[in-house]
Amino acid sequence: AQKITQTQPGMFVQEKEAVTLDCTYDTSDPSYGLFWYKQPSSGEMIFLIYQGSYDQQNATEGRYSLNFQKARKSANLVISASQLGDSAMYFCAMRRDTGANSKLTFGKGITLSVRP
Amino acid sequence: DGGITQSPKYLFRKEGQNVTLSCEQNLNHDAMYWYRQDPGQGLRLIYYSQIVNDFQKGDIAEGYSVSREKKESFPLTVTSAQKNPTAFYLCASRYRGPVNTEAFFGQGTRLTVV
Repeated sequence: AQKITQTQPGMFVQEKEAVTLDCTYDTSDPSYGLFWYKQPSSGEMIFLIYQGSYDQQNATEGRYSLNFQKARKSANLVISASQLGDSAMYFCAMRRDTGANSKLTFGKGITLSVRP
Repeated sequence: DGGITQSPKYLFRKEGQNVTLSCEQNLNHDAMYWYRQDPGQGLRLIYYSQIVNDFQKGDIAEGYSVSREKKESFPLTVTSAQKNPTAFYLCASRYRGPVNTEAFFGQGTRLTVV
Protein backbone atom coordinates (compact mmCIF):
# COMPACT_ATOMS: atom_id res chain seq x y z
CA ALA A 1 0.00 0.00 0.00
CA GLN A 2 1.03 3.56 -0.58
CA LYS A 3 1.60 5.97 2.27
CA ILE A 4 2.52 9.64 2.40
CA THR A 5 3.89 11.16 5.60
CA GLN A 6 3.96 14.87 6.39
CA THR A 7 4.84 15.36 10.04
CA GLN A 8 5.99 18.95 10.34
CA PRO A 9 3.94 21.13 12.65
CA GLY A 10 2.79 24.48 11.38
CA MET A 11 5.65 26.14 9.55
CA PHE A 12 6.54 29.82 9.66
CA VAL A 13 8.80 31.71 7.28
CA GLN A 14 9.76 35.33 6.86
CA GLU A 15 8.71 36.98 3.63
CA LYS A 16 11.36 36.70 0.89
CA GLU A 17 13.11 33.78 2.60
CA ALA A 18 13.13 30.16 1.40
CA VAL A 19 11.30 27.34 3.16
CA THR A 20 11.37 23.54 2.85
CA LEU A 21 8.28 21.42 3.42
CA ASP A 22 9.01 17.77 4.10
CA CYS A 23 7.37 14.74 2.54
CA THR A 24 8.31 11.08 2.87
CA TYR A 25 6.55 8.24 1.15
CA ASP A 26 6.37 4.49 1.20
CA THR A 27 5.69 2.30 -1.80
CA SER A 28 6.92 -0.96 -3.25
CA ASP A 29 6.17 0.12 -6.82
CA PRO A 30 9.17 0.87 -9.02
CA SER A 31 7.31 3.52 -11.00
CA TYR A 32 5.26 6.28 -9.43
CA GLY A 33 4.61 9.99 -9.50
CA LEU A 34 4.78 12.55 -6.73
CA PHE A 35 2.73 15.75 -6.62
CA TRP A 36 2.50 18.83 -4.46
CA TYR A 37 -0.71 20.81 -4.10
CA LYS A 38 -1.46 24.10 -2.37
CA GLN A 39 -4.75 24.72 -0.59
CA PRO A 40 -5.49 28.35 0.34
CA SER A 41 -8.12 29.17 2.93
CA SER A 42 -10.73 29.29 0.15
CA GLY A 43 -10.44 25.51 -0.16
CA GLU A 44 -9.52 24.83 -3.76
CA MET A 45 -6.54 22.58 -4.49
CA ILE A 46 -3.90 24.11 -6.74
CA PHE A 47 -1.36 21.87 -8.47
CA LEU A 48 2.22 23.09 -7.96
CA ILE A 49 4.79 20.57 -9.15
CA TYR A 50 5.33 16.97 -10.25
CA GLN A 51 8.25 14.54 -9.91
CA GLY A 52 8.43 11.16 -11.61
CA SER A 53 10.25 8.31 -9.93
CA TYR A 54 12.51 7.84 -12.94
CA ASP A 55 13.22 11.51 -13.53
CA GLN A 56 16.94 12.14 -13.39
CA GLN A 57 16.64 15.77 -12.40
CA ASN A 58 14.74 17.46 -9.62
CA ALA A 59 11.60 19.19 -10.84
CA THR A 60 11.35 22.98 -10.83
CA GLU A 61 8.41 25.30 -11.53
CA GLY A 62 9.13 28.96 -11.00
CA ARG A 63 9.71 29.51 -7.27
CA TYR A 64 8.92 25.87 -6.50
CA SER A 65 11.46 23.10 -6.64
CA LEU A 66 11.44 19.55 -5.46
CA ASN A 67 14.32 17.98 -3.54
CA PHE A 68 13.82 14.36 -4.60
CA GLN A 69 15.89 11.73 -2.81
CA LYS A 70 14.69 8.39 -4.10
CA ALA A 71 16.82 6.20 -1.84
CA ARG A 72 15.47 8.02 1.21
CA LYS A 73 11.95 8.08 -0.25
CA SER A 74 11.61 11.77 0.30
CA ALA A 75 10.23 14.52 -1.93
CA ASN A 76 10.57 17.82 -0.14
CA LEU A 77 9.09 21.00 -1.59
CA VAL A 78 11.29 24.10 -1.56
CA ILE A 79 9.64 27.49 -1.96
CA SER A 80 12.09 30.27 -2.67
CA ALA A 81 11.50 33.98 -2.03
CA SER A 82 8.34 33.39 0.02
CA GLN A 83 5.41 35.72 -0.54
CA LEU A 84 2.46 36.52 1.71
CA GLY A 85 0.22 34.71 -0.76
CA ASP A 86 2.11 31.49 -0.10
CA SER A 87 0.35 31.17 3.27
CA ALA A 88 -1.74 28.02 2.85
CA MET A 89 -1.91 24.27 3.47
CA TYR A 90 0.46 22.18 1.34
CA PHE A 91 -0.19 18.57 0.46
CA CYS A 92 2.15 15.95 -0.90
CA ALA A 93 0.53 13.19 -2.95
CA MET A 94 1.57 10.04 -4.82
CA ARG A 95 0.16 8.01 -7.68
CA ARG A 96 1.22 4.57 -8.79
CA ASP A 97 2.18 4.26 -12.43
CA THR A 98 -0.29 1.54 -13.35
CA GLY A 99 -3.00 1.87 -15.94
CA ALA A 100 -5.61 0.11 -13.87
CA ASN A 101 -5.12 2.08 -10.69
CA SER A 102 -5.03 5.85 -10.86
CA LYS A 103 -5.63 6.60 -7.18
CA LEU A 104 -3.94 9.69 -5.81
CA THR A 105 -2.95 9.24 -2.16
CA PHE A 106 -2.47 12.38 -0.05
CA GLY A 107 -0.55 13.19 3.09
CA LYS A 108 -2.15 15.09 5.96
CA GLY A 109 -0.71 18.40 4.86
CA ILE A 110 1.44 21.15 6.34
CA THR A 111 0.29 24.65 7.23
CA LEU A 112 2.65 27.38 6.07
CA SER A 113 2.41 30.93 7.38
CA VAL A 114 4.47 33.69 5.78
CA ARG A 115 5.32 36.60 8.06
CA PRO A 116 5.71 40.14 6.65
CA ASP B 1 -13.54 28.40 -19.44
CA GLY B 2 -12.84 24.74 -18.73
CA GLY B 3 -13.02 23.52 -15.20
CA ILE B 4 -14.78 21.58 -12.48
CA THR B 5 -17.90 22.91 -10.83
CA GLN B 6 -19.12 21.69 -7.49
CA SER B 7 -22.43 22.73 -6.09
CA PRO B 8 -23.61 23.85 -3.71
CA LYS B 9 -20.71 25.49 -1.89
CA TYR B 10 -22.40 25.07 1.49
CA LEU B 11 -24.95 22.40 2.35
CA PHE B 12 -26.86 21.70 5.52
CA ARG B 13 -28.54 18.38 6.17
CA LYS B 14 -30.71 17.04 8.90
CA GLU B 15 -29.73 13.77 10.46
CA GLY B 16 -31.29 10.81 8.69
CA GLN B 17 -31.55 12.53 5.31
CA ASN B 18 -29.72 11.63 2.14
CA VAL B 19 -28.08 14.47 0.25
CA THR B 20 -26.45 14.63 -3.18
CA LEU B 21 -23.39 16.71 -4.02
CA SER B 22 -22.96 17.76 -7.62
CA CYS B 23 -19.73 17.64 -9.62
CA GLU B 24 -19.56 18.62 -13.28
CA GLN B 25 -16.49 19.00 -15.49
CA ASN B 26 -16.05 20.25 -19.04
CA LEU B 27 -12.41 19.26 -19.39
CA ASN B 28 -13.20 16.04 -21.28
CA HIS B 29 -11.47 14.07 -18.54
CA ASP B 30 -12.14 10.38 -18.23
CA ALA B 31 -11.30 9.91 -14.56
CA MET B 32 -13.18 11.57 -11.73
CA TYR B 33 -12.73 11.36 -7.96
CA TRP B 34 -14.42 12.26 -4.69
CA TYR B 35 -12.37 13.10 -1.62
CA ARG B 36 -13.35 13.93 1.92
CA GLN B 37 -11.30 16.35 3.99
CA ASP B 38 -11.47 16.61 7.78
CA PRO B 39 -9.26 18.88 9.88
CA GLY B 40 -5.85 17.30 10.37
CA GLN B 41 -6.74 14.30 8.19
CA GLY B 42 -5.69 15.38 4.74
CA LEU B 43 -7.75 14.11 1.80
CA ARG B 44 -9.24 10.64 1.87
CA LEU B 45 -10.58 8.96 -1.25
CA ILE B 46 -14.27 8.02 -1.22
CA TYR B 47 -14.97 6.81 -4.77
CA TYR B 48 -13.39 7.13 -8.16
CA SER B 49 -14.41 6.45 -11.73
CA GLN B 50 -12.17 5.93 -14.72
CA ILE B 51 -14.83 5.60 -17.40
CA VAL B 52 -18.56 6.11 -17.82
CA ASN B 53 -20.74 3.53 -16.08
CA ASP B 54 -17.86 2.25 -13.98
CA PHE B 55 -16.60 3.26 -10.55
CA GLN B 56 -14.58 1.81 -7.68
CA LYS B 57 -14.65 2.23 -3.93
CA GLY B 58 -11.91 4.25 -2.35
CA ASP B 59 -10.65 4.03 1.20
CA ILE B 60 -13.77 5.33 2.97
CA ALA B 61 -16.74 4.39 0.75
CA GLU B 62 -19.12 3.23 3.50
CA GLY B 63 -22.20 5.43 3.71
CA TYR B 64 -21.66 6.97 0.27
CA SER B 65 -22.85 6.17 -3.23
CA VAL B 66 -22.02 7.51 -6.69
CA SER B 67 -23.08 7.21 -10.30
CA ARG B 68 -21.32 7.93 -13.57
CA GLU B 69 -23.95 8.02 -16.29
CA LYS B 70 -22.25 10.81 -18.22
CA LYS B 71 -18.60 11.60 -18.74
CA GLU B 72 -19.10 15.14 -17.44
CA SER B 73 -20.90 14.30 -14.22
CA PHE B 74 -20.03 12.34 -11.07
CA PRO B 75 -22.56 13.06 -8.29
CA LEU B 76 -21.94 11.86 -4.74
CA THR B 77 -24.79 10.88 -2.43
CA VAL B 78 -24.17 11.00 1.28
CA THR B 79 -26.62 8.55 2.78
CA SER B 80 -28.07 8.34 6.26
CA ALA B 81 -25.74 5.39 6.85
CA GLN B 82 -22.76 7.73 6.95
CA LYS B 83 -22.18 8.20 10.67
CA ASN B 84 -20.22 11.43 10.59
CA PRO B 85 -20.90 13.23 7.31
CA THR B 86 -19.91 16.75 8.37
CA ALA B 87 -16.81 17.50 6.29
CA PHE B 88 -15.41 19.32 3.28
CA TYR B 89 -15.90 17.36 0.04
CA LEU B 90 -13.68 17.81 -2.99
CA CYS B 91 -14.27 16.51 -6.49
CA ALA B 92 -11.40 16.08 -8.93
CA SER B 93 -10.84 14.93 -12.48
CA ARG B 94 -7.88 14.08 -14.66
CA TYR B 95 -7.03 12.93 -18.13
CA ARG B 96 -6.68 9.18 -17.95
CA GLY B 97 -3.16 9.15 -19.27
CA PRO B 98 0.40 8.97 -17.98
CA VAL B 99 1.18 9.09 -14.31
CA ASN B 100 2.36 12.69 -14.58
CA THR B 101 -1.05 14.11 -15.49
CA GLU B 102 -2.25 16.12 -12.55
CA ALA B 103 -5.73 16.11 -11.10
CA PHE B 104 -7.83 19.26 -11.28
CA PHE B 105 -10.08 20.05 -8.33
CA GLY B 106 -13.37 21.81 -7.83
CA GLN B 107 -13.97 24.50 -5.21
CA GLY B 108 -15.44 22.02 -2.75
CA THR B 109 -18.70 21.59 -0.88
CA ARG B 110 -18.85 22.04 2.87
CA LEU B 111 -21.50 19.74 4.32
CA THR B 112 -22.83 20.28 7.81
CA VAL B 113 -25.28 17.98 9.58
CA VAL B 114 -27.64 19.87 11.85
